Amino acid sequence: GQQVMQIPQYQHVQEGEDFTTYCNSSTTLSNIQWYKQRPGGHPVFLIQLVKSGEVKKQKRLTFQFGEAKKNSSLHITATQTTDVGTYFCAATNNNDMRFGAGTRLTVKP
Amino acid sequence: KAGVTQTPRYLIKTRGQQVTLSCSPISGHRSVSWYQQTPGQGLQFLFEYFSETQRNKGNFPGRFSGRQFSNSRSEMNVSTLELGDSALYLCASSLATATYEQYFGPGTRLTVT
Repeated sequence: GQQVMQIPQYQHVQEGEDFTTYCNSSTTLSNIQWYKQRPGGHPVFLIQLVKSGEVKKQKRLTFQFGEAKKNSSLHITATQTTDVGTYFCAATNNNDMRFGAGTRLTVKP
Repeated sequence: KAGVTQTPRYLIKTRGQQVTLSCSPISGHRSVSWYQQTPGQGLQFLFEYFSETQRNKGNFPGRFSGRQFSNSRSEMNVSTLELGDSALYLCASSLATATYEQYFGPGTRLTVT
C-alpha cells in the first residue's frame, strides 16, 4: 500500500529563519494537501496541490508539488512565532488518503 | 457557517467499558472521517462514511466501529476499552470525499484508566 514519509520529524528555528518540510510518497499521487495543527488545537487545512510541478504561495508559505507527483514541500520564509505547530501532509492515491507523521516546528523568539 | 462539532470534548473511562463519540459535520458536507491522534503515532485513519455507508477503513481492530445517519451526523464506538485507546479522536468533514479538503472538529480527548 501507499507509504507517506514526512521529514524532518522536528525542526527548531530562530525567529526569522526559513523552514522547510518534505513529504514523499512511494506512489504517484492524485493530490496532496497540507494541514497545520497548533499546539492544543486541531488540524486546519492550508492548501491542496493537484498538478505536476504546481507551486502555490500563501504570504510567507510556498507549497510545491513534484514533477513526478510523488513528493511535495512546504517552505516558510522568515518564520514567526505564530508559525509554531505541526505541519502535516495528506497524500491521496486512488481515493486512498494517508497523513504523514508531521513536522513539529518550534520557533525561538 | 458552523464548524464541525464533537461531543463530548473530554471523557474518562475505565478499561473494559465502551464509549460512543459523536460528530456533527459542517452543513452540506456528506463525508465524515474519523482519526485517532496520539503523540507517538500521529494521525491514524479510522474510517470514512459517506451517505451512511462506510467507504474506507483503516487498520484498527473490530472494537472500533462507526455509523453515519441520514443527516450526515456520525458516531464512533469503541468497545472493551484498553489503556492504549487513550487518545484524541478527531472527526473531519468534507464536501464529497476525504480526498477533498477536510475540516476538523476540536476532537474528543479520551482517557482510559
